[in-house]
Amino acid sequence: AQKVTQAQTEISVVEKEDVTLDCVYETRDTTYYLFWYKQPPSGELVFLIRRNSFDEQNEISGRYSWNFQKSTSSFNFTITASQVVDSAVYFCALSEAWGGSEKLVFGKGTKLTVNP
Amino acid sequence: KAGVTQTPRYLIKTRGQQVTLSCSPISGHRSVSWYQQTPGQGLQFLFEYFSETQRNKGNFPGRFSGRQFSNSRSEMNVSTLELGDSALYLCASKGQGGTDTQYFGPGTRLTVL
Repeated sequence: AQKVTQAQTEISVVEKEDVTLDCVYETRDTTYYLFWYKQPPSGELVFLIRRNSFDEQNEISGRYSWNFQKSTSSFNFTITASQVVDSAVYFCALSEAWGGSEKLVFGKGTKLTVNP
Repeated sequence: KAGVTQTPRYLIKTRGQQVTLSCSPISGHRSVSWYQQTPGQGLQFLFEYFSETQRNKGNFPGRFSGRQFSNSRSEMNVSTLELGDSALYLCASKGQGGTDTQYFGPGTRLTVL
């Protein structure tokens, strides 16, 4: 069975600090996808990144970066120079994909609070 | 392009009643998935519809059902509501491209009293 673990339940930082959110996953599939979503207080899940299991290249998008390491089954997310607007719950998710269907298995989420 | 819309945004029901939630996907998207979010269980997959057919299903009792119309709009129904059904119900739509992903709506907050 697939499983996603986000060991950090809550993180609190001061503005401009860098912060890394950890994600460890379990799957027996050889083809799978990994995701990060952000959930601000409004409740809507905002898509951040999707990565397939064959692409271990790290990615940077502005202040966000992702480190995918298949050897340790981890897909960590770093926010550089955090801002108050980054405060939200962040979810890591995993999906197998068959026949075009994509069922997301989510971690429990990490609540990030960025203080001014 | 308009995003995923869900109606209503808030609902209050009593135990034993039934409820229907609606989801309109992003234009052109034919896949609609439903998720339940509770403080205890987190985010859990309910089911996915594609071209009016249920394509995938999570581990929920038969009281939870859904359907999809020819315009890709989807509804989910919960019959005989229980207190534990109180949750945020999120719907997501996805396009057919190989690199496309699920985009979520704002959710419907259901409270069962």
